[in-house]
Amino acid sequence: DQQVKQNSPSLSVQEGRISILNCDYTNSMFDYFLWYKKYPAEGPTFLISISSIKDKNEDGRFTVFLNKSAKHLSLHIVPSQPGDSAVYFCAASPINFGNEKLTFGTGTRLTIIP
Amino acid sequence: GAGVSQSPRYKVAKRGQDVALRCDPISGHVSLFWYQQALGQGPEFLTYFQNEAQLDKSGLPSDRFFAERPEGSVSTLKIQRTQQEDSAVYLCASSPLTGSSGNTIYFGEGSWLTVV
Repeated sequence: DQQVKQNSPSLSVQEGRISILNCDYTNSMFDYFLWYKKYPAEGPTFLISISSIKDKNEDGRFTVFLNKSAKHLSLHIVPSQPGDSAVYFCAASPINFGNEKLTFGTGTRLTIIP
Repeated sequence: GAGVSQSPRYKVAKRGQDVALRCDPISGHVSLFWYQQALGQGPEFLTYFQNEAQLDKSGLPSDRFFAERPEGSVSTLKIQRTQQEDSAVYLCASSPLTGSSGNTIYFGEGSWLTVV
């Protein structure tokens, strides 16, 4: 049973426009959420995170929104740049575990079109 | 080095062969994790160490998988009698703190295992 779901395997966005990546989760014990970015042949790189006590966290061009009632989060990248082309993974960790047991989604491949 | 280092980067093993994958975490990091990533999937948790103590090994898929971190720094993931379904990228990660929300974990580049 996939507890963290990224239903869009791929997404293409024009350079300069907004990229929106979505993630849904089913486990109500999750209280901390992270986005990782992965280039080919490299390990995942931490991008941004959000705690369940917040509904928004912003870091430069990246903003993560959390809707707890809908068990949904999204990552907004604006403006999108060619270097943003990568696979993006949503991950979650439960209360009392911190983040030593992250559950990942299957990823969304983002392609930025110049 | 500055980041999490893993070796070998690539390993081709014959079915039935034993393999050992090494992880050098970031210096001083208390927590160390192993994840398995199959093709087209997200990373899946295997096991977690806090210093030398293996606190969670619930993700290890079978008793052919064994991990250790005897001195609380370098860790080895051993897979005995490899099978084709073991083919995956094995990711090691470390973090400086223990069990606290908001703690970022840092991944290595992974060890790509192919069992033929």
